[in-house]
Amino acid sequence: EDKVVQSPLSLVVHEGDTVTLNCSYEVTNFRSLLWYKQEKKAPTFLFMLTSSGIEKKSGRLSSILDKKELFSILNITATQTGDSAVYLCAVDSIIQGAQKLVFGQGTRLTINP
Amino acid sequence: NAGVTQTPKFQVLKTGQSMTLQCAQDMNHEYMSWYRQDPGMGLRLIHYSVGAGITDQGEVPNGYNVSRSTTEDFPLRLLSAAPSQTSVYFCASSYGQGFRYGYTFGSGTRLTVV
Repeated sequence: EDKVVQSPLSLVVHEGDTVTLNCSYEVTNFRSLLWYKQEKKAPTFLFMLTSSGIEKKSGRLSSILDKKELFSILNITATQTGDSAVYLCAVDSIIQGAQKLVFGQGTRLTINP
Repeated sequence: NAGVTQTPKFQVLKTGQSMTLQCAQDMNHEYMSWYRQDPGMGLRLIHYSVGAGITDQGEVPNGYNVSRSTTEDFPLRLLSAAPSQTSVYFCASSYGQGFRYGYTFGSGTRLTVV
């Protein structure tokens, strides 16, 4: 059974700290791994990773994929209170010939001032 | 604004009632899907469609029906609502193979079944 596991499930840090969120997966026919940020409403897209070892960066956020060890990390440096959200990891794969997106449970990140 | 539109945003149903959650996209996306999000469980796939006239079951399809008569619309029907269906429902779409282009999510429908 395909699955995506995120850790930690919850994290509380102080503004200015650096955080690392983890995502491991077991899927057949992996195509890509996606990170989303979810505040009050719909998940908003952060990164899509398809190749191992290539860091994707957007401002203070960065992410990298390891297809050999089947995991990805999302780093946030110099955290701000606006980074407080649930961060979702999802893997896009082909399951029984059909395209599917499998999500992890999410990591709830709280940044205290 | 282009994107995925879900209606209604909130709904309260009594047990046994039926209703349809609407999802429409104007990006000519081939792939559309419905998820439910429950606390501590992430998003789980209910049903999906790879194009007009084609639908298939996801991880948690029981109690839900879908149809895809047009490329733009992908309604989710609850046949006889149960308290276990209290959740937040998200519709998502992607152009062709989502792994190349990513997925766009609607703003969600919060459903409470009493």
